[in-house]
Amino acid sequence: SQTIHQWPATLVQPVGSPLSLECTVEGTSNPNLYWYRQAAGRGLQLLFYSVGIGQISSEVPQNLSASRPQDRQFILSSKKLLLSDSGFYLCAWSTTGTYYGYTFGSGTRLTVV
Amino acid sequence: GEDVEQSLFLSVREGDSSVINCTYTDSSSTYLYWYKQEPGAGLQLLTYIFSNMDMKQDQRLTVLLNKKDKHLSLRIADTQTGDSAIYFCAESRYSSASKIIFGSGTRLSIRP
Repeated sequence: SQTIHQWPATLVQPVGSPLSLECTVEGTSNPNLYWYRQAAGRGLQLLFYSVGIGQISSEVPQNLSASRPQDRQFILSSKKLLLSDSGFYLCAWSTTGTYYGYTFGSGTRLTVV
Repeated sequence: GEDVEQSLFLSVREGDSSVINCTYTDSSSTYLYWYKQEPGAGLQLLTYIFSNMDMKQDQRLTVLLNKKDKHLSLRIADTQTGDSAIYFCAESRYSSASKIIFGSGTRLSIRP
């Protein structure tokens, strides 16, 4: 069966420090991968999506970047965190064609102090 | 404006039915979804409906789709305390990227 792993679960980082959040998927090949951010009390904002290795599309201009070094690995990064980067970050995957929706990871709560 | 809109809050009494409403703007939407998010957790797919359907029922959940008005609703019968969560409406449109657009979520709280 397919599973999605996301870590760490919580993270407290100082302003100006780097960030690396990792997401891996097991049990499927060539998934579509997504990074979402959920600010406190807000809805989901799509940050990046990827339909294949090395293929990254950015939805909004921001301080973050994403990479997909392997088929089932998706990384969210920042060189210098801002206070506004705080939020709940969710990774998700889907098969090509979202007929059955996304499967989400358990999320990372990032607090920038 | 938002592509998918929902009211932010809903409060119901335990045992009553909850109805969460959603409107969307894109008539080319192919699938529509309801997700549930419990505190501090990721999103869990509750149910989905294809755009050529009017209704889908799954145990206590009933989804109604009005394509003409671009209105989607989720009815939870006999609402329980475990139903307390944020419920997200979402739509997908055919594209190679297979993106789903989410609403802002409706926080459902249950009164005793």
